[in-house]
This record gives sequence, structure tokens and C-alpha cells, in this order.
Amino acid sequence: DIVMTQSPDSLAVSLGERATINCKSSQSVLYSSNNKNYLAWYQQKPGQPPKLLIYWASARESGVPDRFSGSGSGTDFTLTISSLQPEDVAVYYCQQYYTSRTFGQGTKVEIK
Amino acid sequence: EVRLVESGGGLVQPGGSLRLSCAASGFTVSSNYMSWVRQAPGKGLEWVSVIYTGGNTYYADSVKGRFTISRDNSKNTLFLQMNSLRAEDTAVYYCARDKDLGGTGGTFDIWGQGTMVTVSS
Repeated sequence: DIVMTQSPDSLAVSLGERATINCKSSQSVLYSSNNKNYLAWYQQKPGQPPKLLIYWASARESGVPDRFSGSGSGTDFTLTISSLQPEDVAVYYCQQYYTSRTFGQGTKVEIK
Repeated sequence: EVRLVESGGGLVQPGGSLRLSCAASGFTVSSNYMSWVRQAPGKGLEWVSVIYTGGNTYYADSVKGRFTISRDNSKNTLFLQMNSLRAEDTAVYYCARDKDLGGTGGTFDIWGQGTMVTVSS
């Protein structure tokens, strides 16, 4: 199984500042035949189901604010919130879908 | 409106069984890949099972041989039959629709609110 490891486990960022979450996979999730990274990002707020933010590592889901962006390839990926808003307080998960489906352990984002 | 509503959770003793249901509206279950994802209290997300449009099913190793995913096309409903339940199966169980990525599934664009399963004596 592909193991997904996120860092940090939690971070506190001032309002309006940038938040960066990293995700590393135990093997590449880049499919060479289509040059796509099988990597997604989700946001989960307390008491709610997760919400899809990003797929194909960098494609933003419809309706997701453009302050959220995804980058990376192969085994190393990043979710960036360019200007943290109060409503962005949540736990964020990466997930690979290259082989089966596995999630990272989550990163909790709080306001400093 | 596209919506998923789970039901069937509850308290069950170790070794017992439970059947979860997930009623869909606004789209057709049989035309989409559909998954179950669970989340133990205070923990992260764990994918459990998927059923493809053609009927093929796949499971996480942790539930293989104990859980069965199925669907009723006439009721537009997804199911998860859980047998031989263990304490470590205690979690909120979400049903989720795979996003249509042009023939590839694996990401989840529609989620239900979840149903809690507690395995305890």
C-alpha cells in the first residue's frame, strides 16, 4: 500500500498569511502514460464530512476559492492557502488514488 | 440537489453484524463509482470499499472478508454489510461518490453526513 505522510501535523497561521501543508507518498503517484499525479486534497471542518478541494494534484474543484492551490509531482506535494481566512480553520487531508485509495494522517490549521 | 444520506449505524457487540444504507438523490448510484470511507473518533480518514459501475468491488485489507458493498439500482441506494465486527471498526461511516475523472475514479466529490457505528460490549 502507498503510505501518505503529511507535515506538519498542525500549524497556526495569522489571518491573511500563507499556510503551507506538505504531503509525501511512499511511492510515486505520477502515471507516466497520461502525466497525471493521482493526488487529491480535502478540507474537513468539525462535525462535517470532508470537502474535495484539489484533484490531479493541482486542479481546483468547482467552487473552491482560488486562494487554495496544489502543486508537486511524483512523491512530494503541497497545498497552499495563500491568505488564510477564518473559515479555513479545518483539518486538511491529502489522498492518493494511484493504487487503491489512501489518506494522509491530516494537518490541523488554526489561527495564530 | 445531489445528496447522500446514510442510515443504519448504531451500537453492536463485537462479533455482531450491521447493514448500512446510503440513499442517493440527484444522480444515479449505478452510473457512478461509489465508496465507503470511515473515520474513527478523533482520527483520520480510511477508505473502506468501492463498487464500480460494472459491479466490481474492492476492499481495504482491514475489512476484506468481513464487509460487503452492494447497491440496489431500483432504490438508488448503496449498502455496506458489516459482519464479524471488531472494536476497531468503531467509526463514522461516510458514503461518497467518486468524482468522474474521465474513466478514472478515486477522488470523492459528494459525501454524506455519515452514520456512527460503535462496536462495544
